[in-house]
Amino acid sequence: AQTVTQSQPEMSVQEAETVTLSCTYDTSESDYYLFWYKQPPSRQMILVIRQEAYKQQNATENRFSVNFQKAAKSFSLKISDSQLGDAAMYFCAYNGNNAGNMLTFGGGTRLMVKP
Amino acid sequence: NAGVMQNPRHLVRRRGQEARLRCSPMKGHSHVYWYRQLPEEGLKFMVYLQKENIIDESGMPKERFSAEFPKEGPSILRIQQVVRGDSAAYFCASSLGQGFGYTFGSGTRLTVV
Repeated sequence: AQTVTQSQPEMSVQEAETVTLSCTYDTSESDYYLFWYKQPPSRQMILVIRQEAYKQQNATENRFSVNFQKAAKSFSLKISDSQLGDAAMYFCAYNGNNAGNMLTFGGGTRLMVKP
Repeated sequence: NAGVMQNPRHLVRRRGQEARLRCSPMKGHSHVYWYRQLPEEGLKFMVYLQKENIIDESGMPKERFSAEFPKEGPSILRIQQVVRGDSAAYFCASSLGQGFGYTFGSGTRLTVV
C-alpha cells in the first residue's frame, strides 16, 4: 500500500519570505500523480498544485512550485513571497494507477505566516 | 458552475441516532469519494462510488456505515447508531477521473453528543 509522509507537523515563515514543505511517499508504481492541497481554517480543501510522475519538469503555479525527485520519492512544496493568506494546513497526496483513483494523504503540515 | 455541494454543514446527533450526509458532485463529474478527517489529522479514504456502483469501500467500517450514489440525486453517506467516535469532519470530493485531482466540498462536521 502507498504511504505519504509529511515529517514537519508545523512550519513558520516570515511574510514575504520563502518556505519549503516536505513530503515523501512510498510506492512501487512508476506512473502516478502527486498533489498539494491547502486547508485554511474554513476547512475547505483547495488544490494548490499537481505533478505527473512521468514529467521531469517541476510544476509551478504562480508563487507555488514543487521539487519533484522521483528516484528519492520526494515531493516538496515551495511557497515564495509568503502572504498572510497562505497560513493553513497543507496536505500532500498521492494518486496511483492501482489505487482506483483514491487519494492517499499525508498527515499535514500547519504553516504559520508571521507579519 | 457550482462546485461540490455538501449538506448539512454541521450536524449534531445523539448517540444511537442516524446521520445522513449528502453530496452533489460537480456537474459532469461521475466519480465521488468520501473521506473522514479527525481533528489535527489528514483525510482518510472511506469509499469511492460511481453512479449506482460502489467501486471501492475498503476504508469504510464494516458496520453501521453505508454509502450510495443513485442514478438520480446526491450521494449519501449514512451512519447508523452513531457513537462519539464518529464525530469528525466528513468530506466529499468529485473527479473527472484519475490524475485530475479532486474538487472537494466544504465538508460536514458531525458531532455526536
